[in-house]
Amino acid sequence: AQTVTQSQPEMSVQEAETVTLSCTYDTSESDYYLFWYKQPPSRQMILVIRQEAYKQQNATENRFSVNFQKAAKSFSLKISDSQLGDAAMYFCAYRSAEAGTASKLTFGTGTRLQVTL
Amino acid sequence: DAGVIQSPRHEVTEMGQEVTLRCKPISGHNSLFWYRQTMMRGLELLIYFNNNVPIDDSGMPEDRFSAKMPNASFSTLKIQPSEPRDSAVYFCASSLKGRYQPQHFGDGTRLSIL
Repeated sequence: AQTVTQSQPEMSVQEAETVTLSCTYDTSESDYYLFWYKQPPSRQMILVIRQEAYKQQNATENRFSVNFQKAAKSFSLKISDSQLGDAAMYFCAYRSAEAGTASKLTFGTGTRLQVTL
Repeated sequence: DAGVIQSPRHEVTEMGQEVTLRCKPISGHNSLFWYRQTMMRGLELLIYFNNNVPIDDSGMPEDRFSAKMPNASFSTLKIQPSEPRDSAVYFCASSLKGRYQPQHFGDGTRLSIL
């Protein structure tokens, strides 16, 4: 079974600075997808960014980018120019792309990001 | 565009009572997922549907839990009888078919069983 590990329960960043959230995963599969979701205090889960495992190019969405290292099974999220609205829980998630396997998202335990003035 | 709509947003009830959680997926989405979030276990998939058909219910904790999707625009998750350990936030999510498709989550239902 796949597992997703987020080793940083909490992180803090000053407004306008850059922060990197770590995520590692364990899988024997070669084809899969990785996601970062944000959960603000409002509770809603919001997709931040996604990555296809067979694409070497790192995904980027505005101030959010990932550092995907397939061999190391690492998928970190970088937030540039941090804003107060970025304060939230961030969850890394894995989803198998292989037919016949479970289609569910497997989530990490989350990293709580605080943004300070 | 309307997102995934869940109701109620909060539910407080006594143990032993039947609880029904409701979900309206995004129009045009053909996959629907029910998740449960607790402090102890994090986010767990309970069940998901493709084209209204349950595909994987291996995450449903026990027979007290049941889920239905009578049509493409409505799903329910029912707990009968409810127990205090069922207290959690329950999320419904929907997506287009395909594993790369992002799942769009509702606001969740916070369920408290006394």
